[in-house]
Amino acid sequence: QQQVKQSPQSLIVQKGGISIINCAYENTAFDYFPWYQQFPGKGPALLIAIRPDVSEKKEGRFTISFNKSAKQFSLHIMDSQPGDSATYFCAASIGGSGSRLTFGEGTQLTVNP
Amino acid sequence: DVKVTQSSRYLVKRTGEKVFLECVQDMDHENMFWYRQDPGLGLRLIYFSYDVKMKEKGDIPEGYSVSREKKERFSLILESASTNQTSMYLCASSLAGGRANEKLFFGSGTQLSVL
Repeated sequence: QQQVKQSPQSLIVQKGGISIINCAYENTAFDYFPWYQQFPGKGPALLIAIRPDVSEKKEGRFTISFNKSAKQFSLHIMDSQPGDSATYFCAASIGGSGSRLTFGEGTQLTVNP
Repeated sequence: DVKVTQSSRYLVKRTGEKVFLECVQDMDHENMFWYRQDPGLGLRLIYFSYDVKMKEKGDIPEGYSVSREKKERFSLILESASTNQTSMYLCASSLAGGRANEKLFFGSGTQLSVL
């Protein structure tokens, strides 16, 4: 049972374009929503995270949009670069703790030059 | 920088073998985790530990056990390896308590093939 559903499975974007990855969750007790970025041959690394008391968080070219009523959140990558090509995972956890994360299925992003 | 080191990058084992995957972290983190990563399924939590000699089952513990005899080391054990345990295994660690434990630090993974 996948409690966090992620789409699309793969995404191809041209350099300079906007990449958008979406996630939906079921458990309303989730209160911490991070995104992890994974390059080939490496483990995932925390990219950006949000809590449900805000609807948007921006860090450089990366923005999380959060819709609590729809139980959805998304990652937007502005001005996408070839160096952003990686696998992205959304995740969620309960109790303000990242300790027991439930991950989405992952999105393989390719940014063409 | 936090370093989480997994002992093997690639491992090939036979069905029925007992397999040990080792993970060491160097930042004195209390929490340690084992995930498996499969295409289309994301990362799934196998076991985690909040302290030495403590362990908690994750979402898919069947066929696995763990050992944490020292704070820095967390071992994943496949008692009798099966082909459906062929996967990428990721170890992670984090600090304990409050929001400090929100960030997981992952190792580079062990790709296990069970033949």
